[in-house]
Amino acid sequence: DAGITQSPRHKVTETGTPVTLRCHQTENHRYMYWYRQDPGHGLRLIHYSYGVKDTDKGEVSDGYSVSRSKTEDFLLTLESATSSQTSVYFCAISGLETEKLFFGSGTQLSVL
Amino acid sequence: DQQVKQNSPSLSVQEGRISILNCDYTNSMFDYFLWYKKYPAEGPTFLISISSIKDKNEDGRFTVFLNKSAKHLSLHIVPSQPGDSAVYFCAASEGASGTYKYIFGTGTRLKVLA
Repeated sequence: DAGITQSPRHKVTETGTPVTLRCHQTENHRYMYWYRQDPGHGLRLIHYSYGVKDTDKGEVSDGYSVSRSKTEDFLLTLESATSSQTSVYFCAISGLETEKLFFGSGTQLSVL
Repeated sequence: DQQVKQNSPSLSVQEGRISILNCDYTNSMFDYFLWYKKYPAEGPTFLISISSIKDKNEDGRFTVFLNKSAKHLSLHIVPSQPGDSAVYFCAASEGASGTYKYIFGTGTRLKVLA
């Protein structure tokens, strides 16, 4: 299994509070991604990174920001959480030598 | 505008028979395609891939077919087993751009009946 760790695994928070989710990899892969999974929508790309300090928006980036200060860490921040951001968040990685994505185990986020 | 579509939300198949899961895409620039399987409370796991230079790729019980002119791919599972019951996602990317920014479909829930 690819070395990907997401933290926390579960979080409950209140509307309007900031939330940061962390993705840590031990594979030294160049690309890192944040997806959210919702019923009826499948997996939707939020943001991705193609290197340290190099990030770009995905399909559903509004309300989210990301940072990548080290190869191994990719942070997803909800500056002011809303109930519509209740979802399961998955981090994924891929490298130059493969077209495959490897996923973490996910973070269940509930915004009340 | 959904670029990758899985029009069948669910599929039930008898054990030992063939399961066929379908996926359509609209972006003709997509040139890498992946299939993933997802169990509840777990991350998606990679199943099989195909690039646009091929029309078929096989790995054990799993075969993916790509029809570029129809912008359609399908995953065949033969024979189907109860452990194959899961949600299956197809994904597509413009790999030539070097980013592998994958767009996923909405998924098909497969139930294999014993």
